[in-house]
Amino acid sequence: GQSLEQPSEVTAVEGAIVQINCTYQTSGFYGLSWYQQHDGGAPTFLSYNALDGLEETGRFSSFLSRSDSYGYLLLQELQMKDSASYFCAVRRGGSQGNLIFGKGTKLSVKP
Amino acid sequence: NAGVTQTPKFRILKIGQSMTLQCTQDMNHNYMYWYRQDPGMGLKLIYYSVGAGITDKGEVPNGYNVSRSTTEDFPLRLELAAPSQTSVYFCASSSTSGGPYNEQFFGPGTRLTVL
Repeated sequence: GQSLEQPSEVTAVEGAIVQINCTYQTSGFYGLSWYQQHDGGAPTFLSYNALDGLEETGRFSSFLSRSDSYGYLLLQELQMKDSASYFCAVRRGGSQGNLIFGKGTKLSVKP
Repeated sequence: NAGVTQTPKFRILKIGQSMTLQCTQDMNHNYMYWYRQDPGMGLKLIYYSVGAGITDKGEVPNGYNVSRSTTEDFPLRLELAAPSQTSVYFCASSSTSGGPYNEQFFGPGTRLTVL
């Protein structure tokens, strides 16, 4: 079957750096996505890794190691508005783009 | 572009009632999805569609039905509502297979309570 593990909660202070890890077990792995969701809002796309290595988009970076079935989301220069839930999601090959989501990590940024 | 729109935003149903959740996208995306999200949990795929006239089951399809008569619309039907269907329902769309970044665009959600 498929499973994704990520921490349920993380707390950090404004201006700091935080890393949210995600380990996965799935057949036919194609790529790893990250989505952000503010309380009461809809998920929004942050990043996608299909190959090993680091992808950088502004203050956010995402890393993937296919051999370790592991990825992480790195958030730098944390701002209060980054307080949200962050979901990793696996894209399975041949599944018409279907995503399997983790349970999410709730990030609280303190002043 | 409005993106993905969903109606209604909120709804309370009695056990055994039926309803249709509406979803429309104006991005000409072929792929559309219905998810449910229970409190403190990730999203579970209910049904998806790869184009008009084509639908398929996701992880948790029981108690739901869908249709896709046009590219723009993907309604989700709940028959005989049960308390276990209390959840937030999100509709999403993507270009074919989500493009190079596999990005799915989500609607604002429908909060459904079954009492």
